[in-house]
Amino acid sequence: QKEVEQDPGPLSVPEGAIVSLNCTYSNSAFQYFMWYRQYSRKGPELLMYTYSSGNKEDGRFTAQVDKSSKYISLFIRDSQPSDSATYLCAFNQAGTALIFGKGTTLSVSS
Amino acid sequence: EPEVTQTPSHQVTQMGQEVILRCVPISNHLYFYWYRQILGQKVEFLVSFYNNEISEKSEIFDDQFSVERPDGSNFTLKIRSTKLEDSAMYFCASSDRDRGPVEQYFGPGTRLTVT
Repeated sequence: QKEVEQDPGPLSVPEGAIVSLNCTYSNSAFQYFMWYRQYSRKGPELLMYTYSSGNKEDGRFTAQVDKSSKYISLFIRDSQPSDSATYLCAFNQAGTALIFGKGTTLSVSS
Repeated sequence: EPEVTQTPSHQVTQMGQEVILRCVPISNHLYFYWYRQILGQKVEFLVSFYNNEISEKSEIFDDQFSVERPDGSNFTLKIRSTKLEDSAMYFCASSDRDRGPVEQYFGPGTRLTVT
């Protein structure tokens, strides 16, 4: 079983749609759950992180963690063309390397 | 807003040559990282560096790789004898432990092409 699984997509949605991005993981020791956004040929940019199970909201973005199922999600409300990018889930234990998913490529059309 | 910078943006080298990739982390950050991303694959951790020492490294980071902080601002990754499979985007990242251990800020990357 892979440590992190993420559907690569691509995912295409119309502007204004609600987008759901997901990852599963197998390592129970992961403590931090993150979402990064990466535009083409750029470095990953941290969007949000959570430490425990539950939801965290930041504007149009909501991160959800279910530790019992080892499943994390990122929801984007009212998606915009500028949200078109690759979204990477990432995990780590405190102070150590980030373990990334392969990323889901999202395209939002106007 | 402070950001991580990397030079060069693109490096082409021949197999067997040495390359040095350079990074300037955010000035008040204490932890430094190198990651790589082979085209079409996931971002992979190479090494972390704190207090002038390697704090963690992956299996990828073998004897061909080394890191250095030659002065107060630069952080470098050296590949001694490049192989074709070293072709990838190399990302430097830094973090300020006081703000939380997970906020690693990435630079724009150096595209390394080994021919």
